[in-house]
Amino acid sequence: SAVISQKPSRDICQRGTSLTIQCQVDSQVTMMFWYRQQPGQSLTLIATANQGSEATYESGFVIDKFPISRPNLTFSTLTVSNMSPEDSSIYLCSTGDRTGRVRGYTFGSGTRLTVV
Amino acid sequence: QQQVKQSPQSLIVQKGGISIINCAYENTAFDYFPWYQQFPGKGPALLIAIRPDVSEKKEGRFTISFNKSAKQFSLHIMDSQPGDSATYFCAASKGSNYQLIWGAGTKLIIKP
Repeated sequence: SAVISQKPSRDICQRGTSLTIQCQVDSQVTMMFWYRQQPGQSLTLIATANQGSEATYESGFVIDKFPISRPNLTFSTLTVSNMSPEDSSIYLCSTGDRTGRVRGYTFGSGTRLTVV
Repeated sequence: QQQVKQSPQSLIVQKGGISIINCAYENTAFDYFPWYQQFPGKGPALLIAIRPDVSEKKEGRFTISFNKSAKQFSLHIMDSQPGDSATYFCAASKGSNYQLIWGAGTKLIIKP
């Protein structure tokens, strides 16, 4: 399965600023996803990062707040814009691919964001 | 109809015991049911997965039991060890749609 490097691993940011999270995969993958996870909670899908086209956002998430880039099949970024304390969370990137009957979803270690 | 309901929210098991976590779904179009294990500070990692054409899948100490008619599936951890202490998530997806629908998670603690 793919190996994902996600950075930064954690950051403390001032409200009103923006943070860009990077996700690098060691192989080309079809699908990349960005999730948000509150500590002790389940995962909430923010968007699917599409290579060569705009990301597909889930209900409650908008491009102006969470712009996503996917310039190639191994890299994606998520920006958390104009941050407020409510954006404090863990952000995870994930890849999805298919090998035969197996659907592989690999996750990065996450970015723990604290907004003060 | 898109939900996956997971229980219990937390579970404490003695070392050597059997840990059982249950999930239920409503959408009969789901055709892939993975379980993920997540340790603190790490992303979820695929543990084991099953498709609805089989009723059970076993990998080492981990077994998924699948009941298609009841629309339920469960994770059994045999001979539970302290190293199994983690949060476990069930999930489901359908067809070529890679999007996973996640359960709420179960925090498992194995007492030595």
